Amino acid sequence: GENVEQHPSTLSVQEGDSAVIKCTYSDSASNYFPWYKQELGKGPQLIIDIRSNVGEKKDQRIAVTLNKTAKHFSLHITETQPEDSAVYFCAASIDNYGQNFVFGPGTRLSVLP
Amino acid sequence: DTAVSQTPKYLVTQMGNDKSIKCEQNLGHDTMYWYKQDSKKFLKIMFSYNNKELIINETVPNRFSPKSPDKAHLNLHINSLELGDSAVYFCASSLRGGGSTDTQYFGPGTRLTVL
Repeated sequence: GENVEQHPSTLSVQEGDSAVIKCTYSDSASNYFPWYKQELGKGPQLIIDIRSNVGEKKDQRIAVTLNKTAKHFSLHITETQPEDSAVYFCAASIDNYGQNFVFGPGTRLSVLP
Repeated sequence: DTAVSQTPKYLVTQMGNDKSIKCEQNLGHDTMYWYKQDSKKFLKIMFSYNNKELIINETVPNRFSPKSPDKAHLNLHINSLELGDSAVYFCASSLRGGGSTDTQYFGPGTRLTVL
């Protein structure tokens, strides 16, 4: 089955700097890659996603890149702000009837003021 | 106007008890899920339901049973609770078939503590 790895497990950056979180997946059939942000005491919230027919997607300060050949995808956050502090999860999914999301273990991002 | 809601938010109970967690979504989605998040924040899918049919059942003990009275609800029943069941349980839902994305929308979570 699919296995998703995520690095680093913790990341501290200064406010205004960029943060990059990387994920790798094992199943070449995976074709949907969402990123979720989980704030303390809340459920994960989708922040950006990408499909396998696209190499890069950007939404304001957040961007995701996908390298299907290498089976890895990354989350980029620019101009980080304290409210970006949270746990971030990547996931990989095969868009079939099973809807089986496999999540990475998460990255705790701390943005220091 | 909460999209995915869960009750209760906190649940503290004794070992051996039977408990239920309720989940409702008002998004008109076809598929609903239950996830378990352990103390290390690892999210693992437990079940998913599509149009009242169980389509994923990971290696979860049969003490856990999902019940879906209708498309908008997926409740989680847990029998003979054990210490290791302590975790945060998240309900989620997604649109099936109609849209081009399969985003899963998560509820706020239920923190279960078994004493």
